[in-house]
Amino acid sequence: QKEVEQDPGPLSVPEGAIVSLNCTYSNSAFQYFMWYRQYSRKGPELLMYTYSSGNKEDGRFTAQVDKSSKYISLFIRDSQPSDSATYLCAMGGDKIIFGKGTRLHILP
Amino acid sequence: GAVVSQHPSWVICKSGTSVKIECRSLDFQATTMFWYRQFPKQSLMLMATSNEGSKATYEQGVEKDKFLINHASLTLSTLTVTSAHPEDSSFYICSARVGRGLNEQFFGPGTRLTVL
Repeated sequence: QKEVEQDPGPLSVPEGAIVSLNCTYSNSAFQYFMWYRQYSRKGPELLMYTYSSGNKEDGRFTAQVDKSSKYISLFIRDSQPSDSATYLCAMGGDKIIFGKGTRLHILP
Repeated sequence: GAVVSQHPSWVICKSGTSVKIECRSLDFQATTMFWYRQFPKQSLMLMATSNEGSKATYEQGVEKDKFLINHASLTLSTLTVTSAHPEDSSFYICSARVGRGLNEQFFGPGTRLTVL
């Protein structure tokens, strides 16, 4: 079993819809949980960072962590075409372990 | 702030040649720098971790004699792919950490290497 599992998609949703992205993990030692956005042929950019179970909101983005289920989610409200990118979940302790990324397409 | 640059952004080379990629933290001093490799539609895989003035720590399965890392200063790290082969073609991304937290780690724009 891989340490981090993420459905690669692609996921296509209409503009304005709520997007739900998810990852599962196997290592209970992971302490920190992140979501990155990566545009094509660019480096990843940190979107959300949290270290506890529960929800964290930042604008249109909400990160959710359930440590008991080893499951994390990212919700994007009022999705825009500019949100089209690959979203990588990531987690770790002293180093970052990435999921494969989910390719998201927001259709105008 | 917290900008990481890489040079070149893309490179094409012949099989058997060596290629050097530079990574710089432009507006901060990095305690640690990291090198990742990303194949198409795949995750970023950590190759090695380096601290200024000391030898890099390579992840399991990464050949240290093939991927030479030099961390010359707190703002510069280089990755040299020696005797490159077509299977080394990939997207190489460096990252620099300014503090101890994972959220204090910033990524460069990546370098696309194509080996013919």
